[in-house]
Amino acid sequence: QKEVEQNSGPLSVPEGAIASLNCTYSDRGSQSFFWYRQYSGKSPELIMSIYSNGDKEDGRFTAQLNKASQYVSLLIRDSQPSDSATYLCAVKGNNNDMRFGAGTRLTVKP
Amino acid sequence: EPEVTQTPSHQVTQMGQEVILRCVPISNHLYFYWYRQILGQKVEFLVSFYNNEISEKSEIFDDQFSVERPDGSNFTLKIRSTKLEDSAMYFCASTPLLSSDTIYFGEGSWLTVV
Repeated sequence: QKEVEQNSGPLSVPEGAIASLNCTYSDRGSQSFFWYRQYSGKSPELIMSIYSNGDKEDGRFTAQLNKASQYVSLLIRDSQPSDSATYLCAVKGNNNDMRFGAGTRLTVKP
Repeated sequence: EPEVTQTPSHQVTQMGQEVILRCVPISNHLYFYWYRQILGQKVEFLVSFYNNEISEKSEIFDDQFSVERPDGSNFTLKIRSTKLEDSAMYFCASTPLLSSDTIYFGEGSWLTVV
């Protein structure tokens, strides 16, 4: 069973703070790792993808991957109220099926 | 910007009826997916489809489900005899190349089984 685990939250941070979202996965053969954002009633939208160990930065977002620990995280700097959403960790293996975690609900308070 | 389109956006059906959900993937995409999300729960992988056949399917995708690409553009999910627990948002998704990892989602089809 390929599992993707996230802290379901909710996570609440003040505006301007750093939000830290974490994810672990069970399949050591996983190749690709993604963070999606999902607003209520909407489809997931891709924020970041990461494929190799280390950090990847894109604007206010930084994804971190540690394959040895089977751990991937997302940092959101200078959090804004518009960042309030559910953040989904997704992991893809060799066979192209992408599995999602349950999501972490983030609230950024003005 | 090209997008994955899904119809209907919302369907209400009686238990035991057959339902077909339709998707038009982005035109140059080769790999197609169906996911479902029961209200308040996680996005669950159902099936992936490549080169006119199922590539991978989950334990959820049992005999009541089927997929096909009847005309080279539409990609459909059929639920043969719907149950109350099939009520969910169904997302179609596609990716451009076999080696590409970015999956693009449609807006979803809400299915309510009564």
